[in-house]
Amino acid sequence: AQTVTQSQPEMSVQEAETVTLSCTYDTSESDYYLFWYKQPPSRQMILVIRQEAYKQQNATENRFSVNFQKAAKSFSLKISDSQLGDAAMYFCAYRRWGGATNKLIFGTGTLLAVQP
Amino acid sequence: GAGVSQTPSNKVTEKGKYVELRCDPISGHTALYWYRQSLGQGPEFLIYFQGTGAADDSGLPNDRFFAVRPEGSVSTLKIQRTERGDSAVYLCASSLNPLGGSKNIQYFGAGTRLSVL
Repeated sequence: AQTVTQSQPEMSVQEAETVTLSCTYDTSESDYYLFWYKQPPSRQMILVIRQEAYKQQNATENRFSVNFQKAAKSFSLKISDSQLGDAAMYFCAYRRWGGATNKLIFGTGTLLAVQP
Repeated sequence: GAGVSQTPSNKVTEKGKYVELRCDPISGHTALYWYRQSLGQGPEFLIYFQGTGAADDSGLPNDRFFAVRPEGSVSTLKIQRTERGDSAVYLCASSLNPLGGSKNIQYFGAGTRLSVL
């Protein structure tokens, strides 16, 4: 079974600085998707960034980028120029490629605080 | 609609009661998912619908939990004989279709916080 591990329950960053959130996962499959979702106090999960495992190039979305290391099964999120609005819970998630099930498997999350 | 809508936002019930939680997906999205998020945890998969049928219900914890999507749009998660351990946030998500590519991104609602006293 696939698992996702986030080993940092809480992180803190100064406004305008850079922070990296860690995620590791375990799977025997070669094709899959990885995601970072943000969950603010409103509870709604918002997609931050997504990576297809077959792509060697790391995904980037504005201030958000990932470091995808397939062999190490590592998928970290880097937030550059942190803003107060980035404060939230961040969840790493895994999804199989194809198959009958399309469920997301989530880690336990990292609570990010942004200090002014 | 503009986004995934879940009602009610909060639900308080007594142990042993029956509850229904509603999810209205994004218009045109054929795939719908239910997740449960306990305090301090990430969401855990419950059930996935493709159209009207449940394609994967492997995450339902027991037979007290049931979900329907009779017309392939709105879905209702039903919990019978609620227990205190059922207290959690129940999240619904939808995607345009379940296949690969950008169309398989799951968009979430704000969830229903269920409290069983």
